[in-house]
Amino acid sequence: DGGITQSPKYLFRKEGQNVTLSCEQNLNHDAMYWYRQDPGQGLRLIYYSQIVNDFQKGDIAEGYSVSREKKESFPLTVTSAQKNPTAFYLCASSIVAGDSYEQYFGPGTRLTVT
Amino acid sequence: AQSVTQLDSHVSVSEGTPVLLRCNYSSSYSPSLFWYVQHPNKGLQLLLKYTSAATLVKGINGFEAEFKKSETSFHLTKPSAHMSDAAEYFCVVTLDTGRRALTFGSGTRLQVQP
Repeated sequence: DGGITQSPKYLFRKEGQNVTLSCEQNLNHDAMYWYRQDPGQGLRLIYYSQIVNDFQKGDIAEGYSVSREKKESFPLTVTSAQKNPTAFYLCASSIVAGDSYEQYFGPGTRLTVT
Repeated sequence: AQSVTQLDSHVSVSEGTPVLLRCNYSSSYSPSLFWYVQHPNKGLQLLLKYTSAATLVKGINGFEAEFKKSETSFHLTKPSAHMSDAAEYFCVVTLDTGRRALTFGSGTRLQVQP
């Protein structure tokens, strides 16, 4: 089945530790995105990548880093510089063509930092 | 500023009655518009999309939405609610076609009473 996988589903870390969230897609999509979701809020864009080996900051990139070495993979590292890292993190992907903008989402990773 | 506003944070209906979830957007051009649904601790699923074809858009699970340019609205409706419709619904708009990013409303939580 084609889709997006995120692992793990739940992640717990101590404050001051970096943590990497996995996102893999087998949809052959060029573009991938990372969003953060907080209770009662919509999704906010952290980073996005429209092509391998290239990525751009979104609206709330501070304290996060990404890499895009393969088309299928777009891991997100939450660094100790992120002041409030506890949140639900969603990865998405899309094609890059014309006026087609819909994105397909993974199941999410809930990160808790104490 | 360009934005998307969901007018109700919570909506409660009885099973079998109509559903109306309201969304207004602000944009200097005709954007692409979407409704996504999110069940608890899950990723987002695309319900329907508007991309400047028919103004009445039909989606999955009996949902539909009507694009009204004069009112800058894209309200989501369903004639008869089912218990399985209980979820969070996000109105989403493309406000930045350069980075192909989506802008999310803050969400409407739909409760369906038996």
